[in-house]
Amino acid sequence: RKEVEQDPGPFNVPEGATVAFNCTYSNSASQSFFWYRQDCRKEPKLLMSVYSSGNEDGRFTAQLNRASQYISLLIRDSKLSDSATYLCFGSSNTGKLIFGQGTTLQVKP
Amino acid sequence: DVKVTQSSRYLVKRTGEKVFLECVQDMDHENMFWYRQDPGLGLRLIYFSYDVKMKEKGDIPEGYSVSREKKERFSLILESASTNQTSMYLCASSLGTSGAQETQYFGPGTRLLVL
Repeated sequence: RKEVEQDPGPFNVPEGATVAFNCTYSNSASQSFFWYRQDCRKEPKLLMSVYSSGNEDGRFTAQLNRASQYISLLIRDSKLSDSATYLCFGSSNTGKLIFGQGTTLQVKP
Repeated sequence: DVKVTQSSRYLVKRTGEKVFLECVQDMDHENMFWYRQDPGLGLRLIYFSYDVKMKEKGDIPEGYSVSREKKERFSLILESASTNQTSMYLCASSLGTSGAQETQYFGPGTRLLVL
């Protein structure tokens, strides 16, 4: 089993839809989690951190479920500009750093 | 604003050539990383460094070496390039090793083609 797993998609949604991605992790020692966004042929950029209490930034909400070992990203009122690949990232207290392979989102008009 | 720069955006090399990929960050970050990214495989960690002259193997170090002589510079070396090293190479840096300090900032990437 991969240490961090994401459904690669693509997720095709209409503008205005709500879409959610999950990212499961196998290392219970994982401590810090982040969501990154990567546009086509560009480098990944930090979207948001994931805190135990959840984290909301405008239309984006990130949550952590330690019991089930997954993190989630919810995007409300999808825009065309949200089309990108979303990467989850986790690190453990042993220094292990793992990116998921990414989930591709296509928002259609 | 954190800036991570990589020496080349595109590079074409021949099999057996020695290849140097340079990465420089200007925010006095402690940690630097080299990844490669391939379709369907995502980002895979090659090597990382938590301090000058210090290096740690990542998940796929075979065929690569690194050098960190100065805090701001982290070099990736392909001693003898092979076609299976054709990939997008991404350098990243982070301030520290806990919480928000682990946020990684990426360079624009180098697309390497080995013929």
